[in-house]
Formats: sequence, structure tokens, C-alpha cells
Amino acid sequence: GNSVTQMEGPVTLSEEAFLTINCTYTATGYPSLFWYVQYPGEGLQLLLKATKADDKGSNKGFEATYRKETTSFHLEKGSVQVSDSAVYFCALSTGFAQGGSEKLVFGKGTKLTVNP
Amino acid sequence: DAGVIQSPRHEVTEMGQEVTLRCKPISGHDYLFWYRQTMMRGLELLIYFNNNVPIDDSGMPEDRFSAKMPNASFSTLKIQPSEPRDSAVYFCASSRLAGADTQYFGPGTRLTVL
Repeated sequence: GNSVTQMEGPVTLSEEAFLTINCTYTATGYPSLFWYVQYPGEGLQLLLKATKADDKGSNKGFEATYRKETTSFHLEKGSVQVSDSAVYFCALSTGFAQGGSEKLVFGKGTKLTVNP
Repeated sequence: DAGVIQSPRHEVTEMGQEVTLRCKPISGHDYLFWYRQTMMRGLELLIYFNNNVPIDDSGMPEDRFSAKMPNASFSTLKIQPSEPRDSAVYFCASSRLAGADTQYFGPGTRLTVL
């Protein structure tokens, strides 16, 4: 079945440090890939997405590239801020057209804390 | 747009009581999802609807849980009777399409069952 594996947290960084959160996936067909972010006390919100191989999603200084050959979608940011402290979820969807499901499959989440 | 609206934001109840969580999706969205989030199990999909029809309820933990969507602008998740292990944050999300489309999450209902 479809699954997402992301690096265990928590991750603690100093402000302006480089961030990488690893995400790998297993899926039939050609999934769409997502990063969602959950700030304290809030629901999840979409951070970025990519729908086909070699696409790069980007938003708020975060980037992730859809790598079909390594089945990965790692999240990166060159210089994190205190306001980036949150839980980050990697997710995939394959859709009915590819014999999959309309559901999103989420990873377990990685908690990021950025200290001033 | 007001976004996905959930009520109540916090609910504290005693074991054995009935609990009803409510959700208003974004207007025009055809898909509605109910999730549960706990520290131990992470984020779990309980059930989702398409055009008010339940499509997949395989994530509903037990018969104590039920969900309805009587119209396009309202859904409920009911737990009867509630148990302490049901304590969690329950999220409702909606999307216009499925698959690659963005899901928009509500702020969640934090349920505590004593």
C-alpha cells in the first residue's frame, strides 16, 4: 500500500540555520506529494506541493523537489526563523485514476523548534 | 471566505456521555474529511464524504463513532458513549476536489473525556 516515512523529530535549530526534513514514500503509480504545516494550536495548512516528477514546490522560503528515482520529497529552507517552529507533515495522494484513493496518506510529522 | 468552521473548540465530558462535534466546510467544496490527532497515533483519517455521501469509513475506530452529512454545509461526528481513550483533537477538512487538490483544515476540537 501507499505510505510515507519522514524523519523522526524533534528537530531543534538556531535561527538562520539550514533546515532539511527528509521524506520518502512508497506508492503505486505517480503520486502527488505535499508538505503540510501545523502551527501550535491550529489545524494543518498546505505549505507546498508537487504533482509530477522533477517538479519543485516552494512557498515562504521552503522548497521540496519531487525525486522519482529516489522516491523522495525532502523539505529544505536556507535560513529558518523562530516563526517556523511548527510540526511538518509529508503526505501523498495517488487518486482513483491511478488505482489509488482520494485520501491523503500522511507521515507521522516532524516537530521543529527554532531558538533565537 | 471564513474557512472551515468547527464547534465547539474545546469539549470536556465524562465517560459514558454522548459527544457531538460539528463542522461547516468551505462553500463549494465537495469533499469533507474527519481526522483524529493524538500523540500516540498521530493523524488518522476517520471518514470522508463526497457530495454528502460517505465514501470510506474504514478509519472509524468502533461502532461508538458515527458521522453524518445531511447537507453540503454541515457535518457531525458523534461519539456515544464516550471513553477516556477518545480524548484527542478532532479535525475537519474540506477540499474542492480530491487527490492532488488542497485540503483546508479547521482549527480542531480538543476533546477531553474524564
